[in-house]
Amino acid sequence: TAGITQAPTSQILAAGRSMTLRCTQDMRHNAMYWYRQDLGLGLRLIHYSNTAGTTGKGEVPDGYSVSRANTDDFPLTLASAVPSQTSVYFCASSRDGGEGANVLTFGAGSRLTVL
Amino acid sequence: GQNIDQPTEMTATEGAIVQINCTYQTSGFNGLFWYQQHAGEAPTFLSYNVLDGLEEKGRFSSFLSRSKGYSYLLLKELQMKDSASYLCAVKGGDYKLSFGAGTTVTVRA
Repeated sequence: TAGITQAPTSQILAAGRSMTLRCTQDMRHNAMYWYRQDLGLGLRLIHYSNTAGTTGKGEVPDGYSVSRANTDDFPLTLASAVPSQTSVYFCASSRDGGEGANVLTFGAGSRLTVL
Repeated sequence: GQNIDQPTEMTATEGAIVQINCTYQTSGFNGLFWYQQHAGEAPTFLSYNVLDGLEEKGRFSSFLSRSKGYSYLLLKELQMKDSASYLCAVKGGDYKLSFGAGTTVTVRA
């Protein structure tokens, strides 16, 4: 089934450790996104990429980095995790990142707990 | 910045109608989306409005008034499976989606 695959599904991480959340899509979408979802705050954009080789900062980028070496993969790295990064992380993609409907397709999410 | 407001919770009876309101103040506007999210799952697309008026899709309809910064999602003939969170999202002037906190709808038998 075409879509977005995220890994891991769930992870418990000690504060100060690094972690990479993986995201792969097979829809040949140009644009990809990372959101975090916290109770009462909704989905907030961390980083995005409109096309392979480019990335941009979203609303809450601090403490996170991304890369987009090819169309399919968009990993999110936490260099030194802190408890406030405990959240559910969703990777998403859309055909393009500009005007028009460009509906987002979401992965199943990665639940991260930082202790 | 973006400010998107929607009620936190709503409860309705199976077979009834529920209207979820969303008001927004954003830097630029390039469309409004509604997503459905069941507990523990990913959001899925429901509707898209970019022009004023009503868009109907089966039991679900979405309305937009750009001059008022207002949208609503109307769910008709409610079913138990409609119990979920409904997310209002606005595509701003930078073409990025900003989401409201979501409205949790509980459908009772």
